[in-house]
Amino acid sequence: GENVEQHPSTLSVQEGDSAVIKCTYSDSASNYFPWYKQELGKGPQLIIDIRSNVGEKKDQRIAVTLNKTAKHFSLHITETQPEDSAVYFCAASTSGNNNDMRFGAGTRLTVKP
Amino acid sequence: GAVVSQHPSWVICKSGTSVKIECRSLDFQATTMFWYRQFPKQSLMLMATSNEGSKATYEQGVEKDKFLINHASLTLSTLTVTSAHPEDSSFYICSARDPQVRREGQFFGPGTRLTVL
Repeated sequence: GENVEQHPSTLSVQEGDSAVIKCTYSDSASNYFPWYKQELGKGPQLIIDIRSNVGEKKDQRIAVTLNKTAKHFSLHITETQPEDSAVYFCAASTSGNNNDMRFGAGTRLTVKP
Repeated sequence: GAVVSQHPSWVICKSGTSVKIECRSLDFQATTMFWYRQFPKQSLMLMATSNEGSKATYEQGVEKDKFLINHASLTLSTLTVTSAHPEDSSFYICSARDPQVRREGQFFGPGTRLTVL
């Protein structure tokens, strides 16, 4: 089955700096890669996703890149703000399959004001 | 759109009792809902996939007789933790798929924190 690895486990940046979180996956059949943000005591919230037919997607300060050959994808947050502080999870799944989504271990991002 | 709610948000119970957690899709119909368990500072672990009108599919290692899942309608799935013990204390999160919004994505509820004394 799919195995998703996520690095780093913790990341601390200064407000205004960029943050990058990287994930690798093992199943070459995976073709859907969402990123979730989880604040303390809350459920994860989908912030951006990418499908395998594109290499990059951007939404304001958030971007995701995908390298299918190397089987890795990354989350980029620019101009970080204190409210970006949270735990971020990457995930990978096969489009159309109900229950094969697997999550990375999470990255705790702290943005210092 | 694609809002998922859970009730209760937290519950404390005595060992040996059963606890029911509800997961509702508020503005869409969810033929498939998922139940996850999350320990402190850890990732989400899929427990089971709940399909409306049929039996849930449990992940390996998850006791189906202990974690009863019912998906009786397109907007409601319930998870009942039977004969709860302290080791069942955890954060339980449900999610649902809304193919109209995102074919593959899952929308998560706010979670239920269960503490078994």
